[in-house]
Amino acid sequence: NAGVTQTPKFQVLKTGQSMTLQCAQDMNHNSMYWYRQDPGMGLRLIYYSASEGTTDKGEVPNGYNVSRLNKREFSLRLESAAPSQTSVYFCASSELTNRRVFFGSGTQLSVL
Amino acid sequence: EDQVTQSPEALRLQEGESSSLNCSYTVSGLRGLFWYRQDPGKGPEFLFTLYSAGEEKEKERLKATLTKKESFLHITAPKPEDSATYLCAVQAGRGSTLGRLYFGRGTQLTVWP
Repeated sequence: NAGVTQTPKFQVLKTGQSMTLQCAQDMNHNSMYWYRQDPGMGLRLIYYSASEGTTDKGEVPNGYNVSRLNKREFSLRLESAAPSQTSVYFCASSELTNRRVFFGSGTQLSVL
Repeated sequence: EDQVTQSPEALRLQEGESSSLNCSYTVSGLRGLFWYRQDPGKGPEFLFTLYSAGEEKEKERLKATLTKKESFLHITAPKPEDSATYLCAVQAGRGSTLGRLYFGRGTQLTVWP
């Protein structure tokens, strides 16, 4: 079992570029999440999908879009990257919403 | 205003020196409290779930406890491999809503030989 797999592990973008972070889980979980983690701050929820076919905004959704492609996959898109989006991004999943959440290994994103 | 506060921010222990990490919360409608361990460059790894005051969970040298306002992660006779950042998260929400998960900023634990 790979758990939660996210790609890429590292990415450098220029301001204004776009990119999509990919995430897949093999645990048959219903809920999936995208978090960002910044130094000195707790994990902050960007978007989540409580179940296949639904997506909802989290605490910091501005500048991001998501797609729940199927039960396994949940992608995060930055349409026009900004330096404020430099962060470590984590994809996560859980069987029940906001219960025991499993995290991927993270994507280190730098926007110059 | 932080809903979940962890203290201390950083803790250095000598190998074998037991101590406790604190997680206090101000949310209403607690549904669950979770402890995670995070190693540098990795995602948080689930440790424990606590659902009600008085509950305790143990795993190797770690023991988590829960009261109505806070949780403690007790580390008994720590080893250098216990060095990591420990995160606390609280699920809160009333009625039939799915609630929210609030994360603390973490306690960075260093255990030296």
